[in-house]
Amino acid sequence: GAVVSQHPSWVICKSGTSVKIECRSLDFQATTMFWYRQFPKQSLMLMATSNEGSKATYEQGVEKDKFLINHASLTLSTLTVTSAHPEDSSFYICSARGRGRGEYYGYTFGSGTRLTVV
Amino acid sequence: DQQVKQNSPSLSVQEGRISILNCDYTNSMFDYFLWYKKYPAEGPTFLISISSIKDKNEDGRFTVFLNKSAKHLSLHIVPSQPGDSAVYFCAARSGNTGKLIFGQGTTLQVKP
Repeated sequence: GAVVSQHPSWVICKSGTSVKIECRSLDFQATTMFWYRQFPKQSLMLMATSNEGSKATYEQGVEKDKFLINHASLTLSTLTVTSAHPEDSSFYICSARGRGRGEYYGYTFGSGTRLTVV
Repeated sequence: DQQVKQNSPSLSVQEGRISILNCDYTNSMFDYFLWYKKYPAEGPTFLISISSIKDKNEDGRFTVFLNKSAKHLSLHIVPSQPGDSAVYFCAARSGNTGKLIFGQGTTLQVKP
């Protein structure tokens, strides 16, 4: 089946620094990537949607200058949290949709990244 | 504005019995519904889905029922096993945008 590799699985950074999270589709081409964040014991909240080669579309209330999304290739999308603050601490998850080996793969999730800003 | 709601935060069931997890939605433009299982600090794992034109889909111990008129779906797990203990999320796909909207999740505990 389809696999999405997400790295790092956890990261601790200082306030004011930037952190990059990567998601790679290993055996299919991810034409669309979705980025979510989850607060403890809460739902997965969609942050943005990106299509390969296009600018990301952000959900209402999500700062596009703070959460930079790059989807420059069909197998890699990155989320960069810029000038991180403690309130950005959360669990971030990517989900990819696309095609590979003649099959359609929908909504394959990465394993998530636990970000802690101190 | 919560478009997908799971009103039961938790559910406890005895091993071997049926687990029923419920989900309600408000947007009639949703065209596909999915159930995911999730452990802490991991990504969701797909379980089963149903198209809005169906009313039932079955896969092994998992069955999903859809009642479009009531905008309600449920996931039945039978027989329940201790390994089923996890958080279950209901998700709905927007037919217009392809986005998945998640419910708040239900924590299922299956007791041996």
